[in-house]
Amino acid sequence: QQQVKQSPQSLIVQKGGIPIINCAYENTAFDYFPWYQQFPGKGPALLIAIRPDVSEKKEGRFTISFNKSAKQFSLHIMDSQPGDSATYFCAASLDTGQLTFGSGTQLTVLP
Amino acid sequence: EAQVTQNPRYLITVTGKKLTVTCSQNMNHEYMSWYRQDPGLGLRQIYYSMNVEVTDKGDVPEGYKVSRKEKRNFPLILESPSPNQTSLYFCASSLSAIGYEQYFGPGTRLTVT
Repeated sequence: QQQVKQSPQSLIVQKGGIPIINCAYENTAFDYFPWYQQFPGKGPALLIAIRPDVSEKKEGRFTISFNKSAKQFSLHIMDSQPGDSATYFCAASLDTGQLTFGSGTQLTVLP
Repeated sequence: EAQVTQNPRYLITVTGKKLTVTCSQNMNHEYMSWYRQDPGLGLRQIYYSMNVEVTDKGDVPEGYKVSRKEKRNFPLILESPSPNQTSLYFCASSLSAIGYEQYFGPGTRLTVT
């Protein structure tokens, strides 16, 4: 079974800190790597995504770093705010449309 | 308003009683998908559909059926629900299978007793 392993399971940072969430994958056929943010009681929403031919992508305070040779990618949140407190999921997609999610990271940003 | 709707939002049922969770999108998206979310396991894909009349199994299809007779609708059918199908279910849609944002519905919390 294709897997995407995500860590840590939970993360607590102070306001202004830079939480980092890591993911690793096994299947080299994955070619699209999105990150989703989920607030309690809501469905996930796309935060940022990257393709494997790019090593880094930045959108606002959110940055994805991608290491193709190590089959790892990570999400960095710059200048984190209490409003960023949510559950974050990494995911990896095949061109067939099959999407595999990591197990999620619950982020708490303290004021 | 562009959205994915699911019904019902909450459902409590008994083992073996067939049920259908409906999913509808108004964005003319080709791709639709169903996921279940369980604590510590993240979201797992049940079935997905690249277009009308085209459906494929995801990672956890056992015990579920889907159909895609119209572009906007993608119902999830549990013919004989069991307690291990108690979960939070999400429907999602996107313009195409890859490289496009998936828009998620609000979720359906199913309890099978």
